[in-house]
Amino acid sequence: GESVGLHLPTLSVQEGDNSIINCAYSNSASDYFIWYKQESGKGPQFIIDIRSNMDKRQGQRVTVLLNKTVKHLSLQIAATQPGDSAVYFCAGLSGGNQFYFGTGTSLTVIP
Amino acid sequence: EAGVAQSPRYKIIEKRQSVAFWCNPISGHATLYWYQQILGQGPKLLIQFQNNGVVDDSQLPKDRFSAERLKGVDSTLKIQPAKLEDSAVYLCASSFSGYEQYFGPGTRLTVT
Repeated sequence: GESVGLHLPTLSVQEGDNSIINCAYSNSASDYFIWYKQESGKGPQFIIDIRSNMDKRQGQRVTVLLNKTVKHLSLQIAATQPGDSAVYFCAGLSGGNQFYFGTGTSLTVIP
Repeated sequence: EAGVAQSPRYKIIEKRQSVAFWCNPISGHATLYWYQQILGQGPKLLIQFQNNGVVDDSQLPKDRFSAERLKGVDSTLKIQPAKLEDSAVYLCASSFSGYEQYFGPGTRLTVT
């Protein structure tokens, strides 16, 4: 079946450093991806999305890179802040309506 | 703009009991999703509605789970009877376009 998986379950970074969270997906037909942030006790919050016809998309302090050749995408957070501490999920959509979520990476920002 | 509302926020029941969750999506969002999120995992789609019709319920355990979305707005998800492995957070999300989804805060269910 479809799957997306994050490379590392946990990541710790110093405040002010850049963070990179990686995700791999299995279905080469996946055509749309979303990164979500989930804080404790809350539902996932949309961060940024990217379609398969793009390689890169930038938002405010965040950049998503998509490498379709190796079926990999990454989320880069610039100047990481304590408020960025959360679990980050990538989710993929392939040719239909069902999103497949990864298991998440827990980001801890050290002040 | 009001977000996705869910209730209750927490529920504790004994196995074999029944439970129901309620979701009110963002106004104007035709697509509604119910997800199950087990601790330490990503959300897993249980059912997806487009207006009041079911688009995908392939991962819904239909022997015990049911969901409805009357009038294409609010939705309820029911579990009857509950099992220990149903302990999870149940998330409701809605979408206008079928792409970007907005999630509610979830209902944390504990089955003892």
